[in-house]
Amino acid sequence: AQTVTQSQPEMSVQEAETVTLSCTYDTSESNYYLFWYKQPPSRQMILVIRQEAYKQQNATENRFSVNFQKAAKSFSLKISDSQLGDTAMYFCASPLSGGSQGNLIFGKGTKLSVKP
Amino acid sequence: DAGVTQSPTHLIKTRGQQVTLRCSPKSGHDTVSWYQQALGQGPQFIFQYYEEEERQRGNFPDRFSGHQFPNYSSELNVNALLLGDSALYLCASSLFGVEHADTQYFGPGTRLTVL
Repeated sequence: AQTVTQSQPEMSVQEAETVTLSCTYDTSESNYYLFWYKQPPSRQMILVIRQEAYKQQNATENRFSVNFQKAAKSFSLKISDSQLGDTAMYFCASPLSGGSQGNLIFGKGTKLSVKP
Repeated sequence: DAGVTQSPTHLIKTRGQQVTLRCSPKSGHDTVSWYQQALGQGPQFIFQYYEEEERQRGNFPDRFSGHQFPNYSSELNVNALLLGDSALYLCASSLFGVEHADTQYFGPGTRLTVL
């Protein structure tokens, strides 16, 4: 069965420090996107960053960046200068195999707490 | 720019009942996907609708059905509710078949509780 694995159920970081969340995935798609979503207690799933698998350059969005290792099927998220508002569940997602139109399989999430 | 909207916010039903959840996609989007998120888990894909047809389906029983309307909005119907159907139901919208438009944008969800 297709899987996305987030090996860190919970993490904490001090405000202004850097934290890295890990993710490995499994897909048979050749061209695909990978995603990190954030879900704060408000429940809204918010897109954090997207990586195109055929691009070697790692994606960056302000304080968020990824380390994408295609051969290893690894896709980690680095948050720099952590802020209290970054406290949330973070989900890694990869495309569902079988001709998906953007449909996703998610990991179980990492609960990130940013402490003052 | 209107985002994805869902209604209702919360819903309480009893076992055996039927429920309908509603979703309006983000402005400019034509495709709607539905996910079920059990407590403490990541979302699981239920199905996707485009051009009023079901395009892809996850591993969910036939009790879960859907519909898409000409204005691209969508409904998720669940019949013969079970306690295990209690979850957050998320709707996501996207643009079908366009490069770089694979990204799904999510609504705030509907919390369904089955008693």
